[in-house]
Parts: sequence; structure tokens; C-alpha cells
Amino acid sequence: EDQVTQSPEALRLQEGESSSLNCSYTVSGLRGLFWYRQDPGKGPEFLFTLYSAGEEKEKERLKATLTKKESFLHITAPKPEDSATYLCAVQENTGFQKLVFGTGTRLLVSP
Amino acid sequence: EAGVTQFPSHSVIEKGQTVTLRCDPISGHDNLYWYRRVMGKEIKFLLHFVKESKQDESGMPNNRFLAERTGGTYSTLKVQPAELEDSGVYFCASSQVYRAGELFFGEGSRLTVL
Repeated sequence: EDQVTQSPEALRLQEGESSSLNCSYTVSGLRGLFWYRQDPGKGPEFLFTLYSAGEEKEKERLKATLTKKESFLHITAPKPEDSATYLCAVQENTGFQKLVFGTGTRLLVSP
Repeated sequence: EAGVTQFPSHSVIEKGQTVTLRCDPISGHDNLYWYRRVMGKEIKFLLHFVKESKQDESGMPNNRFLAERTGGTYSTLKVQPAELEDSGVYFCASSQVYRAGELFFGEGSRLTVL
């Protein structure tokens, strides 16, 4: 069965203090790995799709990378508005499109 | 462009009652999904429609849950009769056919069963 494990569960950073979030996955065949951001009381918001090991995607202060077993979300010089829960999800390479989510990393960036 | 809308935002019902959740996807999105998050757990897949057809309902917990998508537009998820363990946040999401993992989520319907 597909598994997604995210670490740490929670992370507190000072504004400007860079760090990385980890997503480890177990899947028989990976179609794609997805990063989402979720704010309290809202639905998840799509950030990135990664398809193959070695791939990288960037958006503002965020950069996502992928290896054969894990993905990292690097946050460079974060700002308070980056505070949110970051979710990782995988999609298996079958005929079905369901996403399997991790439990997320709660990020708090203090000014 | 309007996003995915869900109704109601919060519902409180007694065990044994019926609740129907509604989702209006983004116009033109043929893919519609239902997911659920129960307290402290990860978001879990329930089912997937392509237009009006159920493509994958492997995540539906049991036959107390019934999902429909009328004419390939809005969708409803009915829970009958509701049990305590059905409490959680039910998310609807939609996507374009060829961008299946890039989901647009609604804000969720919080269901509390007492």
C-alpha cells in the first residue's frame, strides 16, 4: 500500500531562516508527487508537481526536489505569510488518479 | 473565475440522521473528487468522477455513503445513516482532464455527528 510520511510534524522558523521539509514515500510506481499548501479553514492549494527523480520546481521562496524515495520542499528566507501546513501527496502509476496524502508539516514563521 | 464551492460549510447532526453535502466544481473541469479528513489523520480519497461516471470509488468507507454527479456538473455526497466516526471535514476538488494531480479544492464541509 502507498505510504507518505512527512517530517517534521511542526516547524517554527524565524523570518529569513531557511529550512527544508521532507516527504518520504513508498509507491510501487510513481506517476507524480505533489506539494500543496493549506491555510487554516481552507482547502489545500496546489503548489508543484514532480514526475521524475532529479526534477526541481521553484516558485518564489519555495523549491521542490525529488529523488527516488523522497522529496524536499526548501524554503529560502521565509516570511510570516509562508506560515501554513504543507502537504505532500503521491499518485501511483495505475489507471486511477487518486492522491495519497501525508499528514503534513505545520510551518510557523515568526517576524 | 469561481472556484470550487461546497455547501454547507458546517453541519451538526445526530447519529442516525442523514446529511447531504454538495459540491460545485470549476466550470469545465471534468474530474471531480471527494476526499475526507478525520481528526488528526491525513486527507483520504473517497471517490473520483469523470463527468457523470464514477471512475474510482475504492475509498468509499461503506454503503452508508452515496455520491452522485448529476449531468456531469455538481456533485452530492449523502451519508445515511450517519455514525459518530463519520465526523470530519469533507473536501471536494476538481481538475482538468489532463492535469489530474493538480487539484483545485473547495474549503470543505465540516460534519459533526453527535
